Amino acid sequence: GQSLEQPSEVTAVEGAIVQINCTYQTSGFYGLSWYQQHDGGAPTFLSYNALDGLEETGRFSSFLSRSDSYGYLLLQELQMKDSASYFCAVSGGYQKVTFGTGTKLQVIP
Amino acid sequence: EAGVAQSPRYKIIEKRQSVAFWCNPISGHATLYWYQQILGQGPKLLIQFQNNGVVDDSQLPKDRFSAERLKGVDSTLKIQPAKLEDSAVYLCASSPTVPPNTEAFFGQGTRLTVV
Repeated sequence: GQSLEQPSEVTAVEGAIVQINCTYQTSGFYGLSWYQQHDGGAPTFLSYNALDGLEETGRFSSFLSRSDSYGYLLLQELQMKDSASYFCAVSGGYQKVTFGTGTKLQVIP
Repeated sequence: EAGVAQSPRYKIIEKRQSVAFWCNPISGHATLYWYQQILGQGPKLLIQFQNNGVVDDSQLPKDRFSAERLKGVDSTLKIQPAKLEDSAVYLCASSPTVPPNTEAFFGQGTRLTVV
């Protein structure tokens, strides 16, 4: 089966940097994705890592270590609008995409 | 390009009643997913289609849930009969190629309340 673990809540100050970690267990692994979801909204795609290393997209970066079954999402120059839930998702065996339980990020002034 | 369309947006039913949700994916997207998201939790995959074939339905409660994807385009998800614990947001998503190498585009979801 597949399972993912993320911290349930994180609080950070506007303008700061925050890292959201994700560890996973899967019977087959193709890549790790990150999604953002505002309250009442739909999940929206942020990034995808298939290979080890850091991928950067503007203020957001995502890291993957396949050997450690670990990844993280790094958000820089935090803005109030970044307050949302963030989900990691594993693409595993049989083309299945499994989401983590989500990390609720609160950005405070 | 138009996004993933879902209807209805909200639905309130009594337990033991039936309900159906509809999803129209982005044109040309071969893969379609139905997820159930209970408040405060992550989306849980119920069923995944590749064109009109089922790729994964291991977490679909088949005694009460059913889904189909007509002609590899639109999809419907049905619950019959509904239970209180089925109260959740039902999200439809689609992706343009065979996973695992692309993103999923989500609709706004249907919020179901079972009373």
